[in-house]
Amino acid sequence: AQSVTQPDIHITVSEGASLELRCNYSYGATPYLFWYVQSPGQGLQLLLKYFSGDTLVQGIKGFEAEFKRSQSSFNLRKPSVHWSDAAEYFCAVGSYGGATNKLIFGTGTLLAVQP
Amino acid sequence: EAGVAQSPRYKIIEKRQSVAFWCNPISGHATLYWYQQILGQGPKLLIQFQNNGVVDDSQLPKDRFSAERLKGVDSTLKIQPAKLEDSAVYLCASRTGTGFTEAFFGQGTRLTVV
Repeated sequence: AQSVTQPDIHITVSEGASLELRCNYSYGATPYLFWYVQSPGQGLQLLLKYFSGDTLVQGIKGFEAEFKRSQSSFNLRKPSVHWSDAAEYFCAVGSYGGATNKLIFGTGTLLAVQP
Repeated sequence: EAGVAQSPRYKIIEKRQSVAFWCNPISGHATLYWYQQILGQGPKLLIQFQNNGVVDDSQLPKDRFSAERLKGVDSTLKIQPAKLEDSAVYLCASRTGTGFTEAFFGQGTRLTVV
């Protein structure tokens, strides 16, 4: 069955430091992979997605992610974190089959940013 | 472009009461989803509509949850009767019906059952 694992429940980084959030997926075929961000009281906003092609994808707000098939990973990175990046981050895999196309989410990583 | 609209934003009810949530997707989006997000967990799909037809409701607790999408536009999700474990944020999302395009999420309805 398809699944997504985000091993880090909570991460704290200092403002200006680099960031890497881990994501591992389980999916039988070539996956569609997504990273969403959720600020308190808000819905989910798409940061970036991978469908095919270049394994390093660029997203909004300076984020990037790298798809590594051999490791079944899709880790999110940012070279320099800003205080406004504090939020919860969700990795998701797209499960598709006929008319059923849905996102399967991980449990999320809560990012705190220290001044 | 207007986003996905949901109401109410917050709702507090007693257990065994009923409650309904409303979602207005982005204009022209054929696919609509309802997700349940329990505190500390990722969103879990409850039901997917394609236009006004249900394509996946395998994780919808049908003894108490129901959803409809009349005319293929707005959708309502109902819980009757509510249980304590239904306390969660209910997210609505929509996307165009072709291919695996980006899903856009509303701000959600936070339900507290006491």
